[in-house]
Amino acid sequence: KAGVTQTPRYLIKTRGQQVTLSCSPISGHRSVSWYQQTPGQGLQFLFEYFSETQRNKGNFPGRFSGRQFSNSRSEMNVSTLELGDSALYLCASSLVSDQYNEQFFGPGTRLTVL
Amino acid sequence: AQTVTQSQPEMSVQEAETVTLSCTYDTSENNYYLFWYKQPPSRQMILVIRQEAYKQQNATENRFSVNFQKAAKSFSLKISDSQLGDTAMYFCAFKRGGSNYKLTFGKGTLLTVNP
Repeated sequence: KAGVTQTPRYLIKTRGQQVTLSCSPISGHRSVSWYQQTPGQGLQFLFEYFSETQRNKGNFPGRFSGRQFSNSRSEMNVSTLELGDSALYLCASSLVSDQYNEQFFGPGTRLTVL
Repeated sequence: AQTVTQSQPEMSVQEAETVTLSCTYDTSENNYYLFWYKQPPSRQMILVIRQEAYKQQNATENRFSVNFQKAAKSFSLKISDSQLGDTAMYFCAFKRGGSNYKLTFGKGTLLTVNP
């Protein structure tokens, strides 16, 4: 079974631009979560989607948004990019019926904001 | 809000030896899960081991085991017979029980296994 895939793997943008990242979960996984990883703040939860609905949201500004499609694929959008948005963005999918809600992570998208 | 603390930013161990990584957490929840994730250099994060809070028995996965002390809110990871491939960043993570998918991570411990 294929793992979680994220595209693109690397991205360079300039301040003020917007960006869209994509995540395809493992087949059969209906929950998709997004995390931001930076050297200073570590791993921080952005939001989680299930059945096209955002169920949980972390403490990030409204510039960070996401959505989930009927096939469980998810996109994350960051508008008006700031230098501090440079990070590794990780997507994780989970099988809803698993009691642990174990999350399987993708390789991440490395975003650099210049 | 839950917090997870990993007090050892970096550790090193000789190949074939045993090393213990520390993790403490703070929560008022009774139903929760704890995880150790491994993130090798430039590779994706994978789950190493997991523990349910209501299980007193410590989880074990091959060379990896945990020491779960619920009253002390401590969840340490022991790696036996360390291998070069164990070199990675290790993250301790907390998850509330129920339909909650948010993981709260510690800042991580960079483990280097030396030949």
